[in-house]
Amino acid sequence: AQSVAQPEDQVNVAEGNPLTVKCTYSVSGNPYLFWYVQYPNRGLQFLLKYITGDNLVKGSYGFEAEFNKSQTSFHLKKPSALVSDSALYFCAVRDMHRSGNTGKLIFGQGTTLQVKP
Amino acid sequence: EADIYQTPRYLVIGTGKKITLECSQTMGHDKMYWYQQDPGMELHLIHYSYGVNSTEKGDLSSESTVSRIRTEHFPLTLESARPSHTSQYLCASRGQGAFGELFFGEGSRLTVL
Repeated sequence: AQSVAQPEDQVNVAEGNPLTVKCTYSVSGNPYLFWYVQYPNRGLQFLLKYITGDNLVKGSYGFEAEFNKSQTSFHLKKPSALVSDSALYFCAVRDMHRSGNTGKLIFGQGTTLQVKP
Repeated sequence: EADIYQTPRYLVIGTGKKITLECSQTMGHDKMYWYQQDPGMELHLIHYSYGVNSTEKGDLSSESTVSRIRTEHFPLTLESARPSHTSQYLCASRGQGAFGELFFGEGSRLTVL
């Protein structure tokens, strides 16, 4: 069965330091991977996606993610964290082999990022 | 900013009441989705639609129902609300093509007393 795992409930970093939010996935076909961010009392906002091609994907607000097929991972990174990056981050996968073009995403359980001044 | 709107943003009601959560998008997207976000913050798909007059149940069983009479409108209804329905409900849409991302509304936070 397809699944997504975010092994850390919370990640704490100091402002200005690099950050990583981890995500691993399991699908039967080609994975289409996404990262979303959710600020308090808001909906989810799209950050970036991996479909094919370059394993390093750049997205909004200076975030990037690295696709690693051998490790089935898609970790979110940012070279220098800001206090305003503090939010809830979701990794998601669409398994095209199973879901076809329905667009259904399977979400991870979310990781709270806390950036301290 | 995505053009997808949810109302009400917050709703507190008593047990047994009927409620409808509204979701509208102005992007002409065919595919629309309802996710339920529980207190632990996980997201679960409860309904989706491929287009007008098309609705399917999602991966998480839900007592709610949906309809899709117009492309832009995808309301969710609970005939008789219970405290177990207390949750955040997120609506999303997606355009044509296999690779597009979902656009989410701001969410409707429902509390059933």
